[in-house]
Amino acid sequence: SAVISQKPSRDICQRGTSLTIQCQVDSQVTMMFWYRQQPGQSLTLIATANQGSEATYESGFVIDKFPISRPNLTFSTLTVSNMSPEDSSIYLCSVEDSGGAENEQFFGPGTRLTVL
Amino acid sequence: AQSVAQPEDQVNVAEGNPLTVKCTYSVSGNPYLFWYVQYPNRGLQFLLKYITGDNLVKGSYGFEAEFNKSQTSFHLKKPSALVSDSALYFCAVSSYSGGYQKVTFGTGTKLQVIP
Repeated sequence: SAVISQKPSRDICQRGTSLTIQCQVDSQVTMMFWYRQQPGQSLTLIATANQGSEATYESGFVIDKFPISRPNLTFSTLTVSNMSPEDSSIYLCSVEDSGGAENEQFFGPGTRLTVL
Repeated sequence: AQSVAQPEDQVNVAEGNPLTVKCTYSVSGNPYLFWYVQYPNRGLQFLLKYITGDNLVKGSYGFEAEFNKSQTSFHLKKPSALVSDSALYFCAVSSYSGGYQKVTFGTGTKLQVIP
């Protein structure tokens, strides 16, 4: 199983600023995923990041608001741009276990973002 | 489109009693089904999965889940609840889309085990 770390673990930010969240994996993975978990709600997939190509965004999420980088097979960043209080959420990075067809996703500890 | 329903926002159970957390799903084709647990201020932890084979799947921490195709359900169970089981539980379904597993999560069920 993959071990995933995220930085920062939490942050409090002012409206209109941007925050970049880092996700580091201890092994090389093809697919990395970014999720958002708004207070009291379930996880929603923001985008899928494949190394060497642009991220694929889900409906309701756009690159200008959530730019993603994937420079190598063990690292990715998600930026939350021009933040508003509605962006207050936990942001989670996950990777797909590439050990076979019975893939499961492993999740990082999350970044708890509060926007004032 | 695939979907997951967790009809109960919260389940309360006394310590030592059996627990059940309900989940139903909708997906085209054969389902890949998962349960995850989220403890306060921590990320998601994988509990168990159903891909194929026996309908009763055993996972971590004594949890198990029963896959029922006719009822499209995948309820999470444990014979004897512990206070430490108190957490938020998510059911999820996945299918291959665009070369990777696309996972859809349920809304979560808060399990409260009462001492």
